[in-house]
Amino acid sequence: QVQLVQSGAEVKKPGASVKVSCRTSGYTLINYAMHWVRLAPGQGFEWMGWVTAGKSNTRYSQSFQGRLTISRDTSANTVYMDLSSLRSEDTAVYYCARGPVRDGYIDGFDFWGQGTMVTVSS
Amino acid sequence: QSVLTQPPSASGTPGQRVTISCSGSNSNIGSKSVYWYQHVPGTAPKLLIYRDNQRPSGVPDRFSGSKSGTSASLVISGLRSEDETDYYCAAWDDSRSGYVFGPGTRVTVL
Repeated sequence: QVQLVQSGAEVKKPGASVKVSCRTSGYTLINYAMHWVRLAPGQGFEWMGWVTAGKSNTRYSQSFQGRLTISRDTSANTVYMDLSSLRSEDTAVYYCARGPVRDGYIDGFDFWGQGTMVTVSS
Repeated sequence: QSVLTQPPSASGTPGQRVTISCSGSNSNIGSKSVYWYQHVPGTAPKLLIYRDNQRPSGVPDRFSGSKSGTSASLVISGLRSEDETDYYCAAWDDSRSGYVFGPGTRVTVL
């Protein structure tokens, strides 16, 4: 069965970076795009970006341009989300989510990781 | 402020039908498919409806989706106690070149 298992909670100071991993199993990683979505306290879900199936191209939400890097290690069946220049507003639960990209747009997220809490505090 | 609009809450008694609306614009719902997710806080979200009205395998048929113009709806027929949680609509938005979510609707079973 498909499983996405994320790394544990992180506490970071403002200005630091955080790297969250998402280890996949039960399917072939390169056959599906992987996305990162976050849920901040009192806010709704926010899509951050994706790494495509196949060639590992990336696309980021305009809200995170310049601060976000999504990467993939096919030998480890793992996808990573690296967010830099952290600020208090980045405190949120971060999810990886599998979802096809068709004709340049997202066709839903069919499997999600369990979430990783990232707290940014001085 | 969310690009998609949902009512903050909805409620019903067991067995009743509950409808959750999702309103957008021509750059999202009006031209792209709508997706619905169920989220129990502290757990992984679950895809309930994709491409406006399709149910993934394993999702009970009492969940149904529809769309008309720039609005969409999720209907829960035969409400059950385990349906008490949060529901989010989502769609691709061409003007933002990104995937956008509604603010969520908390369903309460009375």
